[in-house]
Amino acid sequence: EVQLVESGGGLVQPGGSLRLSCGASGFSLSNYWMSWVRQAPGRGLEWVATIKGDGSEKYYVESVKGRCTISRDNAKNSLYLQMNSLRAEDTAVYYCAREFVAAALKNYFDSWGQGTLVTVSS
Amino acid sequence: DLQLTQSPSSLSASVGDTVTITCRASQSISSYLNWYQQRPGKAPNPLIYAASNLHSGVPSRFRGSGSGADFTLTISTLQPEDFATYYCQRSDTKSFGQGTRLQIK
Repeated sequence: EVQLVESGGGLVQPGGSLRLSCGASGFSLSNYWMSWVRQAPGRGLEWVATIKGDGSEKYYVESVKGRCTISRDNAKNSLYLQMNSLRAEDTAVYYCAREFVAAALKNYFDSWGQGTLVTVSS
Repeated sequence: DLQLTQSPSSLSASVGDTVTITCRASQSISSYLNWYQQRPGKAPNPLIYAASNLHSGVPSRFRGSGSGADFTLTISTLQPEDFATYYCQRSDTKSFGQGTRLQIK
């Protein structure tokens, strides 16, 4: 059974840093693109970042470029999101998600974790 | 502008009804369109990928259609567990629509 379990969320002051982790089990992490998706309280879904299976390609939404870094350790079956210079608008539940590649550009998020809450507030 | 616009933003229906949710892209996106369901307090669940393909295990009462810039998600014979929020997503840019909340009438 595919399982994704996020951790590392919490309360952080504006300007602070946080590192989110996502533990994967039930599949070979190295074979999959992985992403982070967030959801602010009462709001919709927002894609944050994506990383290729071997870590060689990374993509970010414009609002986090330069502040967040996605990374992975396939040997540890783990995905990470390092978030720096956090702002109030980064407050959200952060989900890690596995991408299934149906065809070129036809990826979709076929498995999701339960999410971890990040609150940026003084 | 690479937006996705869903309509309606919310709708009310009864168990047994058939409903349609629309997702319009600001430009043609071929069939690069996915649909997800999210129940309150839960992670999203995949429904449809590449506009019309059913994710494994999703009931056949869910149907996706469309190509280019206009897409629809149709849910036939609504079941109690279908009352949730639905999101479309562009698979080329990974951006999401704003969501459609389906409520019980």
